[in-house]
Amino acid sequence: DQQVKQNSPSLSVQEGRISILNCDYTNSMFDYFLWYKKYPAEGPTFLISISSIKDKNEDGRFTVFLNKSAKHLSLHIVPSQPGDSAVYFCAASVSQGGKLIFGQGTELSVKP
Amino acid sequence: GAGVSQSPRYKVAKRGQDVALRCDPISGHVSLFWYQQALGQGPEFLTYFQNEAQLDKSGLPSDRFFAERPEGSVSTLKIQRTQQEDSAVYLCASSLVSGDGNTIYFGEGSWLTVV
Repeated sequence: DQQVKQNSPSLSVQEGRISILNCDYTNSMFDYFLWYKKYPAEGPTFLISISSIKDKNEDGRFTVFLNKSAKHLSLHIVPSQPGDSAVYFCAASVSQGGKLIFGQGTELSVKP
Repeated sequence: GAGVSQSPRYKVAKRGQDVALRCDPISGHVSLFWYQQALGQGPEFLTYFQNEAQLDKSGLPSDRFFAERPEGSVSTLKIQRTQQEDSAVYLCASSLVSGDGNTIYFGEGSWLTVV
């Protein structure tokens, strides 16, 4: 039972354009959501988060949108840069202090 | 070092062998998590410690898996009688306060291959 799903295993984007990574969840008890970035042979690195009381959180080139009614969140990267090429995981927890449930990841490739 | 340190980075074990994976969290971090990541999948929760107390071990896949953090700092994940399906990356993470998602820091992982 996959509670957090990233249905696109890969995404290719041109440098300078927008990257949009999507994530769906099924557990309505989730109220805190995070995105992690992972390079090969490294551990995941925290990128950005959002709590369920918000529908948008922005940090520089990264914006996360949350649609609670659709149980959907997305990460927008604008403009995309070649250094953004990595695997992106979305994760959710029932509370900000709780264990994280991860999606399967989306591999982003930003081409010069 | 300043980050979460895991050892060994790579381990090849023969089926049936016992393995022990070590995690040195960031100094002073209260919470410690273990995750298992199979190839092409996201990390899956195994267990969680707050100081020396193991508060959640619901993700441990079988009784062959055992984790401890006796002094509330270093943690060890032990896998007994390893099987091929145990092959994965084992990630340790720590956070300063009780599981605050903003400040969970992951180590680079221990890559286990069971042959």
